Amino acid sequence: DTEVTQTPKHLVMGMTNKKSLKCEQHMGHRAMYWYKQKAKKPPELMFVYSYEKLSINESVPSRFSPECPNSSLLNLHLHALQPEDSALYLCASSQDSGRGGYGYTFGSGTRLTVV
Amino acid sequence: KNQVEQSPQSLIILEGKNCTLQCNYTVSPFSNLRWYKQDTGRGPVSLTIMTFSENTKSNRRYTATLDADTKQSSLHITASQLSDSASYICVVSALTGGGNKLTFGTGTQLKVEL
Repeated sequence: DTEVTQTPKHLVMGMTNKKSLKCEQHMGHRAMYWYKQKAKKPPELMFVYSYEKLSINESVPSRFSPECPNSSLLNLHLHALQPEDSALYLCASSQDSGRGGYGYTFGSGTRLTVV
Repeated sequence: KNQVEQSPQSLIILEGKNCTLQCNYTVSPFSNLRWYKQDTGRGPVSLTIMTFSENTKSNRRYTATLDADTKQSSLHITASQLSDSASYICVVSALTGGGNKLTFGTGTQLKVEL
């Protein structure tokens, strides 16, 4: 089991739905990340939160909205998604974003299908 | 441009055999290199992490090497098991002004057969 917990593990949503992905870690890490991974491709960075502040947004469409309520939690709010947004969404955390990412740990992912 | 290239793209071996996966990178400034194992539909799991000064690191049946001069790394799997079937991803970390930045390889898909 990973120390980064993602829920739900699977999600099917319609293009008009609003849903949220959740990520939680209790390792005391101060940097948290969202990645999107399509089949047979490497993960693509979406957002980086460092000390609960958004530090990197890799030009992700506004239908994806991240939120970091506290240092242990990271959410990804989804609205008006397109079928091409179907992918594995990975959360990760590390000790902080500026020390080579030591302790970088991935969650098990949420398999998202947009219909 | 930072890049990580892995070879082979896919590999099939018999159970009990050994194999070696390769990773070449052009990432600067180099911070560390990691190997991850990723089962289909699951998140990557860290196998090893090596910094500039480390040449070899082992984790059970996995042994990673790093040559920082030639910017090459390898992952050797000993006495393969069916459960080793997965994608193996080489990830190189660079320290930039914006913090840590990871560059992912496209992975080697390993299949272990009876």
